Amino acid sequence: GQNIDQPTEMTATEGAIVQINCTYQTSGFNGLFWYQQHAGEAPTFLSYNVLDGLEEKGRFSSFLSRSKGYSYLLLKELQMKDSASYLCAVMDSNYQLIWGAGTKLIIKP
Amino acid sequence: IAGITQAPTSQILAAGRRMTLRCTQDMRHNAMYWYRQDLGLGLRLIHYSNTAGTTGKGEVPDGYSVSRANTDDFPLTLASAVPSQTSVYFCASSPGLNNEQFFGPGTRLTVL
Repeated sequence: GQNIDQPTEMTATEGAIVQINCTYQTSGFNGLFWYQQHAGEAPTFLSYNVLDGLEEKGRFSSFLSRSKGYSYLLLKELQMKDSASYLCAVMDSNYQLIWGAGTKLIIKP
Repeated sequence: IAGITQAPTSQILAAGRRMTLRCTQDMRHNAMYWYRQDLGLGLRLIHYSNTAGTTGKGEVPDGYSVSRANTDDFPLTLASAVPSQTSVYFCASSPGLNNEQFFGPGTRLTVL
């Protein structure tokens, strides 16, 4: 079966760095997406990785290792507004997104 | 309108009633999707449409139907609602199959 695993909840301090991990097993691979979802709102796109390596976009970076079925999202210089759920999703061989349950990130002052 | 809109924002529905959730996008995206989001679970795909005139079944299609008469609109119909269909429903669109998806604001549906 297809499976996406990520931690349920993480806590970090304002100004610090946090890494959110995602492991996956899917039928085929056409890229991995990270989305941010604030409580009561829609998911919004953060990053896309299809090749191995690190993609950096401002305070956010995303890493992919296809051989290990592993990705992480790195958030630097954490701000209170980064408190949200972070969703990992893999596009399978049918170009459909398989979603993890999300990681709720709590930022403390 | 700009982006993707959904209506209604929320709805309380008696079991057995028929309900259509509306979704409209003005980005001329080819692909559109309907997901449901339940606590503790990832987004689950209900139905999708790769282009106007075509639709397909996702992971959890039972009890739901869709149509795609034109590029902009992708309504989701619950023929006879049941309490297990209580959820938050998100419509999304993307320019093509392997592009990022853009989400509407969601519809919170409660079936009693």
